[in-house]
Amino acid sequence: SQQGEEDPQALSIQEGENATMNCSYKTSINNLQWYRQNSGRGLVHLILIRSNEREKHSGRLRVTLDTSKKSSSLLITASRAADTASYFCATDLGDNDMRFGAGTRLTVKP
Amino acid sequence: DTEVTQTPKHLVMGMTNKKSLKCEQHMGHRAMYWYKQKAKKPPELMFVYSYEKLSINESVPSRFSPECPNSSLLNLHLHALQPEDSALYLCASSQDPLNRPTNKRDTQYFGPGTRLTVL
Repeated sequence: SQQGEEDPQALSIQEGENATMNCSYKTSINNLQWYRQNSGRGLVHLILIRSNEREKHSGRLRVTLDTSKKSSSLLITASRAADTASYFCATDLGDNDMRFGAGTRLTVKP
Repeated sequence: DTEVTQTPKHLVMGMTNKKSLKCEQHMGHRAMYWYKQKAKKPPELMFVYSYEKLSINESVPSRFSPECPNSSLLNLHLHALQPEDSALYLCASSQDPLNRPTNKRDTQYFGPGTRLTVL
């Protein structure tokens, strides 16, 4: 069953703009991860943030986690056309049980 | 080698066929996973193997039968599938699940998937 809800469901921006995607979840988690998926392909891991962390950076990516609100956000700065993909948050519930959110489809126009 | 491989890439089968999906990793990971993903939907967890033992079975119909013959291989045997089983089937693996505290859980590495079409 699905754990997270993401918004927006779809996001269209111009190259160079920033993209922000949000994820909310329902139960306690060990960590939260963000993945990218190009159309019909496998998922690529982007970043993992642990339950005791509040913010993490990786290149043009910034992830925040608010466990009190059970929410996370993914910010992609200075977006590129190659960033066009679906982005999923995934919550680790423990015991190898990982649940994905509904995903955000990001389109970056050149 | 940081890759999870899956074969075949595409599979078309009839409802009476028996086929198998294969997944392989050589990263020394001891947890392996099968996910099912329908178009424009998130991946849904089907099965988890931990140290070659089935640890999670998400109420998947018996026409899907997983098998983990060794720590590097994961199979999904298919029999008498329905057209609604058509989807992208993703395999993933992650590091030693037992000898790490749960707040040190590592990422899952995904294969490229098998696109299954059931006629």
